[in-house]
Amino acid sequence: DAEITQSPRHKITETGRQVTLACHQTWNHNNMFWYRQDLGHGLRLIHYSYGVQDTNKGEVSDGYSVSRSNTEDLPLTLESAASSQTSVYFCASSDGRVGEQFFGPGTRLTVL
Amino acid sequence: AQSVAQPEDQVNVAEGNPLTVKCTYSVSGNPYLFWYVQYPNRGLQFLLKYITGDNLVKGSYGFEAEFNKSQTSFHLKKPSALVSDSALYFCAVRDRITGRRALTFGSGTRLQVQP
Repeated sequence: DAEITQSPRHKITETGRQVTLACHQTWNHNNMFWYRQDLGHGLRLIHYSYGVQDTNKGEVSDGYSVSRSNTEDLPLTLESAASSQTSVYFCASSDGRVGEQFFGPGTRLTVL
Repeated sequence: AQSVAQPEDQVNVAEGNPLTVKCTYSVSGNPYLFWYVQYPNRGLQFLLKYITGDNLVKGSYGFEAEFNKSQTSFHLKKPSALVSDSALYFCAVRDRITGRRALTFGSGTRLQVQP
């Protein structure tokens, strides 16, 4: 069955370190998204991509970057981790213009 | 800019009773609307969506939602709640004008169904 996976599921890091969160989908979806979930804020969009070599900034993109070298993967990099980036991160993918998004299980990141 | 409001942080209902989780939205033009559910330590699961057509949309697990354009609302409903429906529910919106496919989410409503 097609799925979307994230790794690691839990990560503890220190302020200033570079961290990369992986997202891999086997749906063959063109659209991929990264959100962060914080209490009281719901999910907020970090970056998104509509296809290979396409990336776009979301509402909370400062301090994050993504790259899309193939259809299946959209890794999220925190260039220099900050305590404000402690959060749960969700990757999602969708097909076409109005398809619903399928979400991964999430990565809980703690920055000390 | 588009936005979603879920005015209730928590909704409590007895098992067997009908439930409603409220959602209002703000978007330019006509919206695409979605409901998702999140169980503890899990990702979001799609419940239903409104794209066009019938204002009453039926989805997974017996849930339905009614699109009301004049009130800019998209409330989630179920005729008879189950204890297993207890979870966090998110409403989300996309506009049709910009073509952006990312969703804007509400802050979530926790549904607690008591036995």
